[in-house]
Amino acid sequence: DVKVTQSSRYLVKRTGEKVFLECVQDMDHENMFWYRQDPGLGLRLIYFSYDVKMKEKGDIPEGYSVSREKKERFSLILESASTNQTSMYLCASSLGGSEQFFGPGTRLTVL
Amino acid sequence: GIQVEQSPPDLILQEGANSTLRCNFSDSVNNLQWFHQNPWGQLINLFYIPSGTKQNGRLSATTVATERYSLLYISSSQTTDSGVYFCAARDRGSTLGRLYFGRGTQLTVWP
Repeated sequence: DVKVTQSSRYLVKRTGEKVFLECVQDMDHENMFWYRQDPGLGLRLIYFSYDVKMKEKGDIPEGYSVSREKKERFSLILESASTNQTSMYLCASSLGGSEQFFGPGTRLTVL
Repeated sequence: GIQVEQSPPDLILQEGANSTLRCNFSDSVNNLQWFHQNPWGQLINLFYIPSGTKQNGRLSATTVATERYSLLYISSSQTTDSGVYFCAARDRGSTLGRLYFGRGTQLTVWP
């Protein structure tokens, strides 16, 4: 079975802090994705990566950056967290354009 | 990107009832997935169904790609079926695997 894990289920940070969200997949997938989910807005794509050190902006990249130094790991970085980044963050991976699999999610609260 | 619309937005059922959830998409697709979001927020893969019909227990799905819609059928619903159901599609012209999500159908099953 494909397994996608995220470093934390719940996270509380203060405004202005630098925040790292980590995602690891164990199926050698080349594509990895970061989404955020907010009530009434559904899932929105922040960034995705189709290879090591490669990244593409999604629909809402402002305020975020990403890092992919190894194939299995994709990190989402909030350089200076703000309260409007309080959200549920979901990581996913896929082999090419085939079925996409999600991690358990991280509920981030920024105070 | 393509537009994905789901209906109905909310559905309330008595245990044992059957239901049909619909997903319309605006362009040709080569990946169509159905997910169930559990109470803890994780997206569980239900079907990967770019075309045709698949069944898994009480759930089945049909995608008619030429007419740009997919249907998810839930038979003999149980309280554990409650949650949000998402449809997501990848457009035929994309090679990078990103999915476009609908806003979801919130299903509530009462005992």
